[in-house]
Amino acid sequence: EAQVTQNPRYLITVTGKKLTVTCSQNMNHEYMSWYRQDPGLGLRQIYYSMNVEVTDKGDVPEGYKVSRKEKRNFPLILESPSPNQTSLYFCASSSQGTEIYEQYFGPGTRLTVT
Amino acid sequence: LAKTTQPISMDSYEGQEVNITCSHNNIATNDYITWYQQFPSQGPRFIIQGYKTKVTNEVASLFIPADRKSSTLSLPRVSLSDTAVYYCLVGDMLGEGNTPLVFGKGTRLSVIA
Repeated sequence: EAQVTQNPRYLITVTGKKLTVTCSQNMNHEYMSWYRQDPGLGLRQIYYSMNVEVTDKGDVPEGYKVSRKEKRNFPLILESPSPNQTSLYFCASSSQGTEIYEQYFGPGTRLTVT
Repeated sequence: LAKTTQPISMDSYEGQEVNITCSHNNIATNDYITWYQQFPSQGPRFIIQGYKTKVTNEVASLFIPADRKSSTLSLPRVSLSDTAVYYCLVGDMLGEGNTPLVFGKGTRLSVIA
């Protein structure tokens, strides 16, 4: 089954404790992206990657890091999480050409930083 | 980035056709228009995309006038399961300077029995 998986689905952590949210897709997609969703603010793009070893900042990259060493994986790293990073996070992927606009989203990771 | 403006909410009865219009007055030449649907606590789901004129798939139709400054998502004969938030996105993901897609706040559609 074609899908985007994220782990963990739920995470409660404390300020400053480094964490990684994994994202993996099995559709051989070139494009991958991370979003956060907050009440009243909609979805905002954090980082995206057009292909392996190519990443770029989205709208709200501060406090996050990403890497794209393999085509299928695009982990989101929070080196020193803070309470304002409490949010619902989505990973997405899509193919090339005009199909790039058809992003497939993962189930989401609900992160709480205390 | 082309900013989009959509109604915050809409109500409809089951079986009716629903049209959600999105304004994007500063759309750029290379920008595409894409619509997504999102249910609570789920990731958005792609509905349809277009560049100009009319696009139709098994789920919806997308109408884009010649000046491309707006677009209308048409959902035929909605059911209760179409209750969701609908996002209009405008952007150029194919160009050299890939622009982040901006989801905005979307339109909350409530379908009533």
